[in-house]
Amino acid sequence: DVKVTQSSRYLVKRTGEKVFLECVQDMDHENMFWYRQDPGLGLRLIYFSYDVKMKEKGDIPEGYSVSREKKERFSLILESASTNQTSMYLCASSSHIGDLSYEQYFGPGTRLTVT
Amino acid sequence: AQTVTQSQPEMSVQEAETVTLSCTYDTSESNYYLFWYKQPPSRQMILVIRQEAYKQQNATENRFSVNFQKAAKSFSLKISDSQLGDTAMYFCAFISGGGEGYGGSQGNLIFGKGTKLSVKP
Repeated sequence: DVKVTQSSRYLVKRTGEKVFLECVQDMDHENMFWYRQDPGLGLRLIYFSYDVKMKEKGDIPEGYSVSREKKERFSLILESASTNQTSMYLCASSSHIGDLSYEQYFGPGTRLTVT
Repeated sequence: AQTVTQSQPEMSVQEAETVTLSCTYDTSESNYYLFWYKQPPSRQMILVIRQEAYKQQNATENRFSVNFQKAAKSFSLKISDSQLGDTAMYFCAFISGGGEGYGGSQGNLIFGKGTKLSVKP
C-alpha cells in the first residue's frame, strides 16, 4: 500500500513564525502536491512538484514556498505565518507511470492554527 | 479553465438505502479522468472510484457506481446499501489526460467543493 505521511496532525503557531510542514511518501512517486482544505471551498492546490528540485505554483501560492531535495520528501514552508493561513493542509503523491499517473494518494493532513 | 461543481453541500440517507451524489464538470478536452474521493471524519482521503472519459461503460466498485454522461458532463456517484461507515465528505475531481505515460506538471486534480454525506441508523 502507498503510504503518505505528514509530520504533524495538529500544529499551533504564532503570527509571524516560520512554519515547516513535512510530507514523505514511500512509493517512489515522481509527483507530489500540497493542498489547502477549507470548509465550503474544497481543496485548493498550493504547489506541486514533478521531480526533485522542481516546483510549480498551483492556484494559491501566495505566502507559501516549497522544497523538494529528495524524491520522497516535499516540504511546505510558511515564511511568516498569518491567521488567514489557519487551515487543514493535505499532501498527496502520484506516479508518472501510465494510466495510474492520475491517481493521487493523500496523507492524513495537518491542521494548522495560527494565533 | 476546467471547473467541477457539486451542487449538494450536504445530504443524508438512511442505513441500507441508496443515495446519489451529483457532480458536473466543464471542459473542452476529450481525454480526461474523473474521480470520487471519500474523506471520513478525521481520517485520510481515499479514492472511491475512477472513470476514464474514453470508456463508455460506467465504473463500479462493490456498492459504489457512477453514472457518467459525457455529453452532459455529468458524473454522479451512487452508493447502494448505505452503511454507517459511508458517512464522510465526498469530493468529485477531474484531471486532464495526455495519453499513455503522461504525467508531470499537468497532472493536477481539480476538485469540487464537496458533499457531506451522513448515513443515519
